[in-house]
Amino acid sequence: EVQLVESGGGLVQPGGSLRLSCAASGFTFSSYWMSWVRQAPGKGLEWVANIKQDGSEKYYVDSVKGRFTISRDNAKNSLYLQMNSLRAEDTAVYYCARDGIVVVPAALGGRYYHYYDMDVWGKGTTVTVSS
Amino acid sequence: DIQMTQSPSSLSASVGDRVTITCRASQSISSYLNWYQQKPGKAPNLLIYAASSLQSGVPSRFSGSGSGTDFTLTISSLQPADFATYYCQQSYSTPWTFGQGTKVEIK
Repeated sequence: EVQLVESGGGLVQPGGSLRLSCAASGFTFSSYWMSWVRQAPGKGLEWVANIKQDGSEKYYVDSVKGRFTISRDNAKNSLYLQMNSLRAEDTAVYYCARDGIVVVPAALGGRYYHYYDMDVWGKGTTVTVSS
Repeated sequence: DIQMTQSPSSLSASVGDRVTITCRASQSISSYLNWYQQKPGKAPNLLIYAASSLQSGVPSRFSGSGSGTDFTLTISSLQPADFATYYCQQSYSTPWTFGQGTKVEIK
């Protein structure tokens, strides 16, 4: 069974740090980009970051740049999110998600289109930043 | 960043109704558009990818259409299990962005 299980959430004071983990199973973890997505209480979804299969490319939403670091350990089938300088507005449920890809050939020219989505999600881990 | 705007923000419908949710991107995103369903306390679930492709295991009453800046999610005959919040999401460029969500409630 394809599965993602997050851990590491909790209560932390403003300015503090936390490291989230996501354990993957049931698929070849090293073959996929992976993302973190968060959802503040009563709010919508916000994509936070993603990382390439080998860790060589990482992308972040502006609000976490310089404070959060996404990383992975393919030998351990694990994804991580190191969160530093935490703020009250970082309070949210954090989801780990697999970036699925569909490759579609163009009608002409030999090009290929790469369509990404988030096709597998964990149940989430809750981070609360409060004094 | 690309902004995604959904309408309506909420709607009330009855079982059996045809429901349409729209999503507009602030710039052209070709067909790089996904739709998710989320129920309270649960993780999102992928319904539609690449604007119109049905994810495996998703009932055929769900369909997606559109390209460029305007997209639509349609539920052809609303079922009790479909009362949830729906989000569109663009994967054209990072940062990936979501619409604000559309809550589908029971009339």
